[in-house]
Amino acid sequence: DAKTTQPNSMESNEEEPVHLPCNHSTISGTDYIHWYRQLPSQGPEYVIHGLTSNVNNRMASLAIAEDRKSSTLILHRATLRDAAVYYCILRDSNYQLIWGAGTKLIIKP
Amino acid sequence: DGGITQSPKYLFRKEGQNVTLSCEQNLNHDAMYWYRQDPGQGLRLIYYSQIVNDFQKGDIAEGYSVSREKKESFPLTVTSAQKNPTAFYLCASSGLGTADEQFFGPGTRLTVL
Repeated sequence: DAKTTQPNSMESNEEEPVHLPCNHSTISGTDYIHWYRQLPSQGPEYVIHGLTSNVNNRMASLAIAEDRKSSTLILHRATLRDAAVYYCILRDSNYQLIWGAGTKLIIKP
Repeated sequence: DGGITQSPKYLFRKEGQNVTLSCEQNLNHDAMYWYRQDPGQGLRLIYYSQIVNDFQKGDIAEGYSVSREKKESFPLTVTSAQKNPTAFYLCASSGLGTADEQFFGPGTRLTVL
């Protein structure tokens, strides 16, 4: 199964952009890249997903490298409510999400 | 409102007892999932189901059982065979496409006394 690698934690200042990196060097051609985030003691929440092209939605942007071996989640203007654990996940042809340990994002006021 | 409900939110169990966690969804999703999460860790897949009356083992199915008699419901039983059942349990549902996002319930925190 393809795996993802993320930094354990990152810090950012409030109202500044945040770039969360993810490596997935063994990704297959049909794997989608999904991002979820999780607040303490809550279920994960979907953020964004993509296959090859960069994607934007109301929550974030997803930049995917041309070789698809890495991607970056971009929060354009972080707020304190964005403090969470962010998971970069691959969804394979068996419809399963393969979860890693995620990146804990700390937002400083 | 559409969504996923899990009950109870907190559950305490004595060693040697079976316990069943409830998961219901009204999103008309075909696929449902059960995950286990330990402190500071990511999610690990216990079981998943893509259609009524059918389900597949995930990475850590030993000591757990499920049923899918209705599209809306996917209960998880934690049996006495599960050696370390204290954890946070999350239920999710989704469509069947590889691009489909998973929607999660609020979770059940199980503690074995």
